[in-house]
Amino acid sequence: QLQLQESGPGLLRPSETLSLACAVSGGSIKSGTYEWGWIRQPPGKGLEWIGSIHYSGSPSFNPSLKSRVTISVDTSRNQFSLKMTSVSAADTALYYCARNLSGFDVWGQGAMVTVSS
Amino acid sequence: QSVLTQPPSVSGTPGQRVTISCTGSSSNIGAGYNVHWYQQIPGSAPKLLIYINYNRPSGVPDRFSGSKSGTSASLAITGLQTEDEADYYCQAYDGSLSSWLFGGGTRLTVL
Repeated sequence: QLQLQESGPGLLRPSETLSLACAVSGGSIKSGTYEWGWIRQPPGKGLEWIGSIHYSGSPSFNPSLKSRVTISVDTSRNQFSLKMTSVSAADTALYYCARNLSGFDVWGQGAMVTVSS
Repeated sequence: QSVLTQPPSVSGTPGQRVTISCTGSSSNIGAGYNVHWYQQIPGSAPKLLIYINYNRPSGVPDRFSGSKSGTSASLAITGLQTEDEADYYCQAYDGSLSSWLFGGGTRLTVL
């Protein structure tokens, strides 16, 4: 059964760079036409799509975050990653990685990232 | 404010039927893009509930159903159960924004 697991620092200072990785187990990141995405959820708020990537294609991003976000795939490690520059308190959220084909059908448990001075 | 509009809350009693609407526009739902629905139990990751407008993943009870018409979509839950108490989100692609969108979410309370 496919599982996703986020990892990365939980506390950042304003202006630092957020880096998260999503390890894929129970299946290959190269299988099929799946895209692999990042979604975040600020405390007590709704879901926001950050961006997605196919292992062989170019990533796509939420226009509101595009200038600060990079998503990449490491097929040798069977994982994909998120980098977000110049974080602020507004970026404090639970960050999920998920698989997308027809809807995001497999989700990680989420990684809480807090931005505070 | 989300581009996909959902009511903030709905409620019902056990056994009742409730519906949750998701209103979009001509650049997303109205443009023919598929709608997906998620259930999020507090403290847990979202779970795909309905995909491509009305399809249920394996394991989702047939009490949950989806529909789509024009620029809107709806999620219906029949035979309401206490374990259905959760947040529900719709999702669709927006061709003008070139972006996946989520609705603002609807909190379902089972009284």
